[in-house]
Amino acid sequence: DAGVTQSPTHLIKTRGQQVTLRCSPKSGHDTVSWYQQALGQGPQFIFQYYEEEERQRGNFPDRFSGHQFPNYSSELNVNALLLGDSALYLCASSPRGVGQYEQYFGPGTRLTVT
Amino acid sequence: QQQVKQSPQSLIVQKGGISIINCAYENTAFDYFPWYQQFPGKGPALLIAIRPDVSEKKEGRFTISFNKSAKQFSLHIMDSQPGDSATYFCAASIASDYKLSFGAGTTVTVRA
Repeated sequence: DAGVTQSPTHLIKTRGQQVTLRCSPKSGHDTVSWYQQALGQGPQFIFQYYEEEERQRGNFPDRFSGHQFPNYSSELNVNALLLGDSALYLCASSPRGVGQYEQYFGPGTRLTVT
Repeated sequence: QQQVKQSPQSLIVQKGGISIINCAYENTAFDYFPWYQQFPGKGPALLIAIRPDVSEKKEGRFTISFNKSAKQFSLHIMDSQPGDSATYFCAASIASDYKLSFGAGTTVTVRA
């Protein structure tokens, strides 16, 4: 049984560019959350998607947007990249009905903005 | 503002010893308290979790102790092994909120 998968593993972008990160949830899970983890810090909640809608958003600017597809996979888009966006981006999936509790994380995408 | 405060920032323990990590919270509406283990270059892995109606939960060598009145909870790693060397995060969430609020993390090093 595959866990949460994310692509790409690493990414290097230039300031001002746009980036798209992808996530496939664990089998049987229908809820996807995205987190940003800066070096040496705990993950910070970006938003959660359920039934192809953004259900809740954290304190992140509108440059961060997302999408969930009918197969429950999800994308995170970041526009107008800033140096401060360099971080590990984590996707977490949850079983139906417990999206605020059990969250299982993928390996993350390491984004470096130069 | 961090809703969950975690300490210590790092700790070193001898093989076979006990590692203890503490977390404190302010929001009494929190009703789910998980602990995650993260190895370098990997995502956090759910280790163990507790609800506030239980004072202790044990899974193998890992135990959560929960003190509702003090608004504190802790992770005890018994018989620590070198393979336990990792960063541990406490977190909390509530039924009406869909995010996990994480502590800042504790790096545990187990010396052989």
